[in-house]
Amino acid sequence: DIVMTQSPDSLAVSLGERATINCKSSQSVLYSSNNKNYLTWYQQKPGQPPKLILYWASTRESGVPDRFSGSGSGTDFTLTITTLQAEDVAIYYCQQYFSSPYTFGQGTRLEIK
Amino acid sequence: QVQLVESGGGVVQPGRSLRLSCAASGFSFSSYGMHWVRQAPGKGLEWVAGISYDGTNKHYADSVKGRFTISRDNSKNTLYLQMNSLRDDDTAVYYCARSPITGGNYIDYWGQGTLVTVSS
Repeated sequence: DIVMTQSPDSLAVSLGERATINCKSSQSVLYSSNNKNYLTWYQQKPGQPPKLILYWASTRESGVPDRFSGSGSGTDFTLTITTLQAEDVAIYYCQQYFSSPYTFGQGTRLEIK
Repeated sequence: QVQLVESGGGVVQPGRSLRLSCAASGFSFSSYGMHWVRQAPGKGLEWVAGISYDGTNKHYADSVKGRFTISRDNSKNTLYLQMNSLRDDDTAVYYCARSPITGGNYIDYWGQGTLVTVSS
């Protein structure tokens, strides 16, 4: 199974500042035949189901603000939130869908400093 | 709009069985892969099982393999999760979720979840 490890576990950032969350997979999730990284990011707010933010590591889901961006390839990925807003307080999860079981990272809790 | 409504959760004793259902609407259910994902109280997300659009391909997490069965009835627009030999650590909110039709087994829509509590 592919193990997904996020860092840090929690993060406090001031409003208007940048937040960076990392995700590392135990093996590459880059599929060579189509050059796509099978990596997605979700946002989960208290009492709600997760919400899709990014897929293919860097493609923003429709309706997601452009302050959210994803980067990385192979085994190392980053979710960046520029100009942090109060509504961005949530837990963020990465997930690989390269191979079953489609494992999640443990989550990163993002708070306002 | 896309709606996924789970039902069937509740309190069940260890070793017993439970079947969850997910009623889908607002999209062509028979064209989409589907998943179950769970979240234990205060914990992270755990992918549980997935099924292809036509039900021919099924995958499971190691933690549920041999105990849980995912299935679907495309004529009823409904996804199921049959859970047998339930254990205390199966206690969680179970989410029904959809994969996009464009490819890739990520999840683009989630239900609100149904709580399963395994306790004597």
